Amino acid sequence: GAGVSQSPSNKVTEKGKDVELRCDPISGHTALYWYRQSLGQGLEFLIYFQGNSAPDKSGLPSDRFSAERTGGSVSTLTIQRTQQEDSAVYLCASSLAQGRTGELFFGEGSRLTVL
Amino acid sequence: AQSVTQLDSHVSVSEGTPVLLRCNYSSSYSPSLFWYVQHPNKGLQLLLKYTSAATLVKGINGFEAEFKKSETSFHLTKPSAHMSDAAEYFCVVMSGSARQLTFGSGTQLTVLP
Repeated sequence: GAGVSQSPSNKVTEKGKDVELRCDPISGHTALYWYRQSLGQGLEFLIYFQGNSAPDKSGLPSDRFSAERTGGSVSTLTIQRTQQEDSAVYLCASSLAQGRTGELFFGEGSRLTVL
Repeated sequence: AQSVTQLDSHVSVSEGTPVLLRCNYSSSYSPSLFWYVQHPNKGLQLLLKYTSAATLVKGINGFEAEFKKSETSFHLTKPSAHMSDAAEYFCVVMSGSARQLTFGSGTQLTVLP
C-alpha cells in the first residue's frame, strides 16, 4: 500500500491477556518507530528499528512490552499480561533513513482498550 | 537533552480569523523542528519542518512557522482559519538522529463557524 498500515484498528481485551499489534511500513523505509498516545498526552516513544541494527528499546515501559521486525519490514508490538494502564492508541511510523530528515509517516494507529 | 512545550492545550478561533499555536523548545544542539497535524482517528501528518535553512518555513494548507533562536520558539500561524483546520497539532524537536524526536503534548484547535 501507499501508506503505513496498522492492524487491528481497534482491540478490546481483558486484563491479563496478551495482545499483538502489527505495523506494515511504507515499502523501502528502513526506519520504523512505535509510539504510544494516551488520552490528553503527547506521543511517548517506545522503540525504534533502523535497518539491521539493534533496535533502540529505551522507551519500552516494562518487560511486558516487546517488539520485533521481521525481514526489515513488518513489525509486531507485543504486550503481555495487559494492564488497564496499557489502554492507549499505539502509533507506528516509518521513514526513509536515520538522519536529520525527521519526516515520519504515521499509520492511523491501533486503539487498545484493556477492561 | 531536549524538550518541547506547547503553551496552549486548547485554542479556539472563528473561521476566517488568524491562528497562532505556540511552541517553545530547548535543545543542547542546533535542532530541527517540525509541526505535525492529527485529524480525528487519523495518523499524524507532517505540516512543515525547519532544518537550519530559512527561518520562516511554509507548509501545507497555508500554515507557516518562524524559527526564533533568541526566543527558542517555533510558533505555528495561519492568516485565516478554515473549518477543516480543526485538529490536534504537535510541535516536535529533533537533535541529532531521527530517533531522538521529542513530541509536545499537543494543541487542540477548534474552529467555530
